[in-house]
Amino acid sequence: EAQVTQNPRYLITVTGKKLTVTCSQNMNHEYMSWYRQDPGLGLRQIYYSMNVEVTDKGDVPEGYKVSRKEKRNFPLILESPSPNQTSLYFCASRKHRDLEKLFFGSGTQLSVL
Amino acid sequence: AQKVTQAQTEISVVEKEDVTLDCVYETRDTTYYLFWYKQPPSGELVFLIRRNSFDEQNEISGRYSWNFQKSTSSFNFTITASQVVDSAVYFCALSGFQGAQKLVFGQGTRLTINP
Repeated sequence: EAQVTQNPRYLITVTGKKLTVTCSQNMNHEYMSWYRQDPGLGLRQIYYSMNVEVTDKGDVPEGYKVSRKEKRNFPLILESPSPNQTSLYFCASRKHRDLEKLFFGSGTQLSVL
Repeated sequence: AQKVTQAQTEISVVEKEDVTLDCVYETRDTTYYLFWYKQPPSGELVFLIRRNSFDEQNEISGRYSWNFQKSTSSFNFTITASQVVDSAVYFCALSGFQGAQKLVFGQGTRLTINP
C-alpha cells in the first residue's frame, strides 16, 4: 500500500531534549516536505526536499533541521525543542512533476513542556 | 510574498443546505496553482482539486464545485446538499508554477454539518 509513514504519532517531551520525528515513503517520490499545523494559522511549511541531498527552507525553518540521505526518508530534527514548537506536524511527498498527488502522513502531535 | 486567507474560521449548517467556503489569495506570480484539501476528523489531508491560474473555467465534481475568479483573486468552494460526512477542516492553498516546491496554506475553515 502506497503511504507516508510518520513516527511517533504522539510525543511529549521536555524543553531542550533533542528529538527526531521520522518520515518514510514507499512510493519512490522525489519531493518530500514537512509542515506544522497550528490553530488559526493553518499549515506552514518548515522544510522541503526536491531529492536526495537537496533540501531547502520553507516559511518557518527556525529551530528545525532535516536531512535527506536516502530517497525514502526525510526525518525532522529538533535539536533543542521549545514550548513554541508544540504543534501537529505533517510529512508529505509526491513525484516531482505530479503536483496533484501530494500524499500526507497521519501526523505527529508534539508537546514540548 | 504569497498569502492565502480563509476568513471563515468556522461554519455550521444543517444537512442538505448548500455552503460556500471562501478563499482569497495574494501572489505576484503571473502563473500559479490553487488547491483545496480536506482534513476529516481522522486527521489526514485529502487532496480535492488543483487549478492552474491560466484556466478560469469553473469545475464541478458531484456535489462539489469551485469558482475561480482571477479578477478578485478568489477560489471559492461550494458544497451542494451538504452531508454529515462533509464535516471537516478545509484548506485552500497556493503554489508557484515552477516546481511548486512551496505550498502556502490558508488558515482553514472548520465545517460542521448537523443532522
